[in-house]
Amino acid sequence: AQRVTQPEKLLSVFKGAPVELKCNYSYSGSPELFWYVQYSRQRLQLLLRHISRESIKGFTADLNKGETSFHLKKPFAQEEDSAMYYCALSGGGYQKVTFGTGTKLQVIP
Amino acid sequence: DVKVTQSSRYLVKRTGEKVFLECVQDMDHENMFWYRQDPGLGLRLIYFSYDVKMKEKGDIPEGYSVSREKKERFSLILESASTNQTSMYLCASQNEATQHFGDGTRLSIL
Repeated sequence: AQRVTQPEKLLSVFKGAPVELKCNYSYSGSPELFWYVQYSRQRLQLLLRHISRESIKGFTADLNKGETSFHLKKPFAQEEDSAMYYCALSGGGYQKVTFGTGTKLQVIP
Repeated sequence: DVKVTQSSRYLVKRTGEKVFLECVQDMDHENMFWYRQDPGLGLRLIYFSYDVKMKEKGDIPEGYSVSREKKERFSLILESASTNQTSMYLCASQNEATQHFGDGTRLSIL
C-alpha cells in the first residue's frame, strides 16, 4: 500500500526565514512525487513534481529514496507563500494519487 | 489551460436525500477523480475512473457511487445523504500523473 506522511499540521516561520515542509512516503516501487499548493480561496494546484527537477516560486524538493522523503524547501519565506501544502505520490501511469494530510504554512510578517 | 468545472460551489441538502455532484473537464483526459477534503485528514479518494463507464473504488467509497457516461463528465452520487458526508468535495482530471482540480463543492447535510 502507498502512504504519504506529513508530520506537521502547521508550520509558522518569519518572513525571510528558511522553510522546510516535511514529507515521507511508503511505496514498494519507483514513485512519482508531487507537491500541491492551495492558496486561500483558490483551487488546489500543482506546485512541482520531482521528475521535472525545477524550482517553482523559489521552492525546490529533492527525492531521497534512501530516506523515502521528498521535503519541500525554500531559502527565504515570503508572505505570499502562506498556504496549505500537500505532498502526493503516484505509482506512475494511470494509477491513483495518494495525498498526505497537508501542512499549513504561515509566514509571519 | 485545463478547465475542471464543478457545478456548485455551495450545496445544502437534507439527511436521506439523493445528492448529485457534477464535474466536467475540457481536456479530453481519460482519468477523473473524486476526493473529499476534511481538516486534518487531507484529501481522501472516494472513486476514480480511467475511461467511460469504468470506475474504481478509492479509499472511502462507502455511501457513494459514481457515473461516467461521457468522457468529459464524472458525477458523484450520495445515495442517501448523511450528516457525516458534510465536507468539501474536489473533482480532478489527470494528465500524465498531474492532477487538475476544480474549485470544489462545499456540501452541508442537515
